[in-house]
Amino acid sequence: EAGVAQSPRYKIIEKRQSVAFWCNPISGHATLYWYQQILGQGPKLLIQFQNNGVVDDSQLPKDRFSAERLKGVDSTLKIQPAKLEDSAVYLCASSQSGILEQYFGPGTRLTVT
Amino acid sequence: QQPVQSPQAVILREGEDAVINCSSSKALYSVHWYRQKHGEAPVFLMILLKGGEQKGHDKISASFNEKKQQSSLYLTASQLSYSGTYFCGTEGGSQGNLIFGKGTKLSVKP
Repeated sequence: EAGVAQSPRYKIIEKRQSVAFWCNPISGHATLYWYQQILGQGPKLLIQFQNNGVVDDSQLPKDRFSAERLKGVDSTLKIQPAKLEDSAVYLCASSQSGILEQYFGPGTRLTVT
Repeated sequence: QQPVQSPQAVILREGEDAVINCSSSKALYSVHWYRQKHGEAPVFLMILLKGGEQKGHDKISASFNEKKQQSSLYLTASQLSYSGTYFCGTEGGSQGNLIFGKGTKLSVKP
């Protein structure tokens, strides 16, 4: 069974630029999550999708971050414009349903200079 | 409310045991445990649900005290492969939206 795929794996941008991350969850997984993990801390949930609907986006900085999950499969997370404090690893995870184990992708390491 | 994990770090010799604690100030529906090795993604270990039984596989087990809003992860006869950072994720509802603790870094030495 293929795991959660993410791209790119690394990205370096300057502040005020925009960036987009892509995630392809495990086939059949209805729930998809985007997390931000700052060095030395636990993952912080940004947004949770159930199929193509948003379940929780309470911690998503909506003035600069946006996410979508078209057709209930792939998802993209966008930051526009980026700030220095957005430097982190962005993890995508999926699960069969909200209460089951989450499978994480390899993450995208973003550096904002 | 972010759960509090203790200890922050622990160093063990192979074969020694360890306990990692996770406590929350709010009522919990479930507690999830994950292990993350340096530079890798978190890997699922186990889920403990409200009203459920103590879980375990191999030499790693966990308990969930709903009344105290606490969970503990027990690592028995530790192996080098157990090294990594352990995170608990807590959930107040049943939607799966976890709040992770800051992690406990476990180092197992030969």
